[in-house]
Amino acid sequence: GQQVMQIPQYQHVQEGEDFTTYCNSSTTLSNIQWYKQRPGGHPVFLIQLVKSGEVKKQKRLTFQFGEAKKNSSLHITATQTTDVGTYFCAGRYSGAGSYQLTFGKGTKLSVIP
Amino acid sequence: NAGVTQTPKFQVLKTGQSMTLQCAQDMNHNSMYWYRQDPGMGLRLIYYSASEGTTDKGEVPNGYNVSRLNKREFSLRLESAAPSQTSVYFCASSTRSGEQYFGPGTRLTVT
Repeated sequence: GQQVMQIPQYQHVQEGEDFTTYCNSSTTLSNIQWYKQRPGGHPVFLIQLVKSGEVKKQKRLTFQFGEAKKNSSLHITATQTTDVGTYFCAGRYSGAGSYQLTFGKGTKLSVIP
Repeated sequence: NAGVTQTPKFQVLKTGQSMTLQCAQDMNHNSMYWYRQDPGMGLRLIYYSASEGTTDKGEVPNGYNVSRLNKREFSLRLESAAPSQTSVYFCASSTRSGEQYFGPGTRLTVT
């Protein structure tokens, strides 16, 4: 089946350092979404990218969708302790099963104050 | 708006027991989903319902059944629980544009 690979699995950073997580699919995605899950919480939608090469920003977070629509990244500038949690990408493929999202395994971010 | 609600929040079952996890959404979404989350495995889709009256299998449907009772409610049933079904279960619903809203989860332990 279709898979979305996400790296790294864990990242420990000092507060104020930058953080990046990457997602990759072997086949073209229709779109990709990003979610954040705080410890003990549930996933919360952050953003959806649809267009090839799209870049979107939310304050210190920058999201990119690759030109081939097979990869994506989330970059956080100057991390804060409030950024702690697990970040998931979730890809949607066209065709049969297009209602489904395929989630990456997530990157767990720890921020050391 | 409550968003997506799930009951119960916690449950302990013995092997072979059955139970139903309840999910409801008040956002008038057509599509609803059941996921399980295990450490290091991310979120895996069990079943989904694209619209009222339809259900489809996801990645890991074995051992589960679902019912889309009406537009608001989507339940997940374990007929004969097994220790491998120990997990956190999330229900979600989605907008037309596809973003998903998750419930708070049910933490299930099967002994």
